[in-house]
Amino acid sequence: AQSVSQHNHHVILSEAASLELGCNYSYGGTVNLFWYVQYPGQHLQLLLKYFSGDPLVKGIKGFEAEFIKSKFSFNLRKPSVQWSDTAEYFCAVNALGGGADGLTFGKGTHLIIQP
Amino acid sequence: EAQVTQNPRYLITVTGKKLTVTCSQNMNHEYMSWYRQDPGLGLRQIYYSMNVEVTDKGDVPEGYKVSRKEKRNFPLILESPSPNQTSLYFCASSLIFGTDGYTFGSGTRLTVV
Repeated sequence: AQSVSQHNHHVILSEAASLELGCNYSYGGTVNLFWYVQYPGQHLQLLLKYFSGDPLVKGIKGFEAEFIKSKFSFNLRKPSVQWSDTAEYFCAVNALGGGADGLTFGKGTHLIIQP
Repeated sequence: EAQVTQNPRYLITVTGKKLTVTCSQNMNHEYMSWYRQDPGLGLRQIYYSMNVEVTDKGDVPEGYKVSRKEKRNFPLILESPSPNQTSLYFCASSLIFGTDGYTFGSGTRLTVV
């Protein structure tokens, strides 16, 4: 079964700093990859997704992610964060034909942006 | 508006008292799933359903039941809740399994005392 690892459980940045959140997965076959964001007290919302094609995908709110197949990685980036980006971020993988039946989520990264 | 609706949003109950958390989607999605979210553990899948009358266990199914009698509804049943089921629960759906991301409900915060 696939697994997802998010490297940082807590990240604290100042406004306007650049952001990169790491995500690695373990599955050698075809994957669909996702990043979700959960603002305080709210449900998960899709930030961006990768199915195929250009490995650099752009999502909402200025976020982007790069799929590097050789590294089994799908890191999330944003050039300049805002206070409103304070939230929990989840990477998720759907391993096609991998035997699991749904999205497998990482444990999340809690991002705090200081004004 | 396309959405997944869960009820209730908050629930406090006592050990052993059966409860049901409802989930309904209006997008004609085939695939529905229940997750629980716990601090430091992320989201873990409880049960999922590929379509009407087709359900299966996820990673943490113990103590839970589900049913899928209609396409739009996927209730989560706790026959005899215990304190270790205190958690934040999310229902999610997608059009077809494996081809898209999920739409999530707003969550149900359950406390079992």
